[in-house]
Amino acid sequence: AQTVTQSQPEMSVQEAETVTLSCTYDTSESDYYLFWYKQPPSRQMILVIRQEAYKQQNATENRFSVNFQKAAKSFSLKISDSQLGDAAMYFCAYRGSYNTDKLIFGTGTRLQVFP
Amino acid sequence: DSGVTQTPKHLITATGQRVTLRCSPRSGDLSVYWYQQSLDQGLQFLIQYYNGEERAKGNILERFSAQQFPDLHSELNLSSLELGDSALYFCASSPGVAGGTAQGQFFGPGTRLTVL
Repeated sequence: AQTVTQSQPEMSVQEAETVTLSCTYDTSESDYYLFWYKQPPSRQMILVIRQEAYKQQNATENRFSVNFQKAAKSFSLKISDSQLGDAAMYFCAYRGSYNTDKLIFGTGTRLQVFP
Repeated sequence: DSGVTQTPKHLITATGQRVTLRCSPRSGDLSVYWYQQSLDQGLQFLIQYYNGEERAKGNILERFSAQQFPDLHSELNLSSLELGDSALYFCASSPGVAGGTAQGQFFGPGTRLTVL
């Protein structure tokens, strides 16, 4: 069975600085998708960024980018120029490409942003 | 705003009772997913419907059931409620099913269920 591990329960960063959140996963599939979701205090789950495993190029969405290392089964999220509004729980999620669409989530990393 | 709506936002009920949570997917999305977020279990997939048919089941209790209607809205029914069922229940939607595209799932605001 696939698993997703986020080993950092909490991280903090100063406004305007850069922070990297870690995620590792375990799977025997060769084709799959990875996502980062943000959950602010409102509890809404917001899709931040997605990565297809067959693409070697790392995904980027404005200040958010990923470092996808397929061989190492690692999928970290880098937030550049951190803003106060980035403070939230961040969840890494895995989705296989065969037979199921379900998302498998990690336990989350709480990010604090200090002014 | 993801375009996915859920009602009610909050629900407080007693043990042994039955409740129904409602979800309307984004316009054009055929797949609906239900997730449970609790402190001890984290975010867990419960069940998926695609165009009215059950597509996949996760860790859904036998006391729980769901359906998707012809207009594509979905309902999650929770019965014989226990204290441990208190959680945030999310509905999510996506255009289709697995394979070929990096479809993210778009989440509704959730229903906070409290069982007393």
